[in-house]
Amino acid sequence: EVQLLESGGGLVQPGGSLRLSCAASGFTFSNYAMSWVRQAPGKGLEWVSAISGSGGSTYYADSVKGRLTISRDNPKNTLYLQVNSLRAEDTAVYYCAKYPIVGANDVFDIWGQGTLVTVSS
Amino acid sequence: QPVLTQSPSASASLGASVKLTCTLSSGHRSYAIAWHQQQPEKGPRYLMKVNGGGSHFKGDGIPDRFSGSSSGAERYLTITSLQSEDEADYYCQTWGTGFVVFGGGTKLTVL
Repeated sequence: EVQLLESGGGLVQPGGSLRLSCAASGFTFSNYAMSWVRQAPGKGLEWVSAISGSGGSTYYADSVKGRLTISRDNPKNTLYLQVNSLRAEDTAVYYCAKYPIVGANDVFDIWGQGTLVTVSS
Repeated sequence: QPVLTQSPSASASLGASVKLTCTLSSGHRSYAIAWHQQQPEKGPRYLMKVNGGGSHFKGDGIPDRFSGSSSGAERYLTITSLQSEDEADYYCQTWGTGFVVFGGGTKLTVL
């Protein structure tokens, strides 16, 4: 069964940092691009970042460029999102999502269950 | 980049049909879109891809009650024989090299 399991969320103070992880199983991880999408409380979905299957190409939404870093460890079947200089507006559930192809240019065909990040003092 | 517009809410009765709409912004009417369903307190689930020609390609395990179509800049999701578990938020998504865009979502209420 194809599964994505996020972890690493929690309560963090403004200005702090956090690294989110997404453990993938049930498919050949390196063959597929991956992405992070977030959802603020009571709001819609917002794409934040994507990475190709090899990790050689990365993409970011303008709203987060410079503060977030996406990466992947293919032998460990794990996707990461490093989030720095956290602000209250970064409070959201962060979902990882899988593309059906190696490049980050298609639908999201599998989603994780999400991990909640709360930025508050 | 395209902008996707969805009505904030829709409602239909149990057992009836409903057609949700996602509208692509001017100059982007050729883009394919995807539909995703988000039930309360759950992560999103991929339903299908709908291209500009009206063909749709469903995800694994998506019931036949769900179908997609298109006309011009509009992309549709039709759900027939509505069930209580269809009450959810529905988001459309489009993409290009280096970007992904979501519509604002439609909250579907099953009466």
